[in-house]
Amino acid sequence: AQSVTQLDSQVPVFEEAPVELRCNYSSSVSVYLFWYVQYPNQGLQLLLKYLSGSTLVKGINGFEAEFNKSQTSFHLRKPSVHISDTAEYFCAASQGGSEKLVFGKGTKLTVNP
Amino acid sequence: NAGVTQTPKFQVLKTGQSMTLQCAQDMNHEYMSWYRQDPGMGLRLIHYSVGAGITDQGEVPNGYNVSRSTTEDFPLRLLSAAPSQTSVYFCASSYFSGGTQYFGPGTRLLVL
Repeated sequence: AQSVTQLDSQVPVFEEAPVELRCNYSSSVSVYLFWYVQYPNQGLQLLLKYLSGSTLVKGINGFEAEFNKSQTSFHLRKPSVHISDTAEYFCAASQGGSEKLVFGKGTKLTVNP
Repeated sequence: NAGVTQTPKFQVLKTGQSMTLQCAQDMNHEYMSWYRQDPGMGLRLIHYSVGAGITDQGEVPNGYNVSRSTTEDFPLRLLSAAPSQTSVYFCASSYFSGGTQYFGPGTRLLVL
């Protein structure tokens, strides 16, 4: 069964600095990958997804992620963060799109002025 | 298009009480699911449904019951609430089980 590991539970950064949130998954066989964001006291919303094709995926709010099959990773990046990016970010994966979505435990990103 | 709606937003229960958390979607999605979110645990799947009349257990099903009589609705029932069920509950829907999930705003439940 698919599993997802988010390597950092908390990431503090300063405003306008670059950030990378790390995600590793267990199986590359026909994997679908997602990043969701959860702002305080809200539900989750999709940032970006990888289903197939180009390994560099661009999402909303200037975020992007790269699918790396050999490293079984799908790290999320943003070149310059804003205070408004403070939120919890979840990586998720499903195998072949036919299995249930499995979530990582989340990474809390705090952007400081 | 309201997306996924959940009621209530917040609920306080006493141990042993029962209640139903409501979830509805207007996107004609076949797949619906319930998650609970606890600090440091991420989202854990409670129950899911791949279509009307079909439900199955997720990772943490004990103490919860579901049914799916229509495509739109997927209520979650707590049979006899326990303090360990204090959590934030999210309902989600998607076109298929491994696809993009659309989440509701959540129900915050406190069991005393």
